[in-house]
Amino acid sequence: EAGVAQSPRYKIIEKRQSVAFWCNPISGHATLYWYQQILGQGPKLLIQFQNNGVVDDSQLPKDRFSAERLKGVDSTLKIQPAKLEDSAVYLCASSFTAGGYYEQYFGPGTRLTVT
Amino acid sequence: TQLLEQSPQFLSIQEGENLTVYCNSSSVFSSLQWYRQEPGEGPVLLVTVVTGGEVKKLKRLTFQFGDARKDSSLHITAAQPGDTGLYLCAGWWVETSGSRLTFGEGTQLTVNP
Repeated sequence: EAGVAQSPRYKIIEKRQSVAFWCNPISGHATLYWYQQILGQGPKLLIQFQNNGVVDDSQLPKDRFSAERLKGVDSTLKIQPAKLEDSAVYLCASSFTAGGYYEQYFGPGTRLTVT
Repeated sequence: TQLLEQSPQFLSIQEGENLTVYCNSSSVFSSLQWYRQEPGEGPVLLVTVVTGGEVKKLKRLTFQFGDARKDSSLHITAAQPGDTGLYLCAGWWVETSGSRLTFGEGTQLTVNP
């Protein structure tokens, strides 16, 4: 079974530029999550999708971050404009559905550096 | 968002020692998961505990969910260098909008040979 795919793996941009990350979840997984993980900290949930609908985006900085899940499969996360404090690893995860009985499978993440 | 506090934040021990990592909250969770993350990779699920007081064992790792489902612990016996990594607890709770999840800040474990 193929895992969660993310691209790019690394990205370096200057502040005020825009950037987009892509995620392809495991086939058949209805729930997709985007996390921000700052070095040395636990992942912080940015947005949770159930199929192509948003379940939770309470911690998404909506003035600069946006996300969509195309046709309930792939997802993109965009930052525009980027700030220095956005430097982090952005993790995508998917699960069969939401809830603690289901394992989240994580992708390898995209390491973003904003200079 | 419900908060999970992990302690200690950093732990460096010698091979063969035992250790315990704690995950605490003032909130009740419907279930709690433990993940391990290695550098450059995403977290990988180790265990899910659901029932208050539940104990699960995974080889040298023992996980316990508190009776009130507000806290959990991870105990490693005879730690090995391969146990090195970031250990994360994650708690689930249910709202009208669906199941929600929060992660603790993690415990960075280093086991020295």
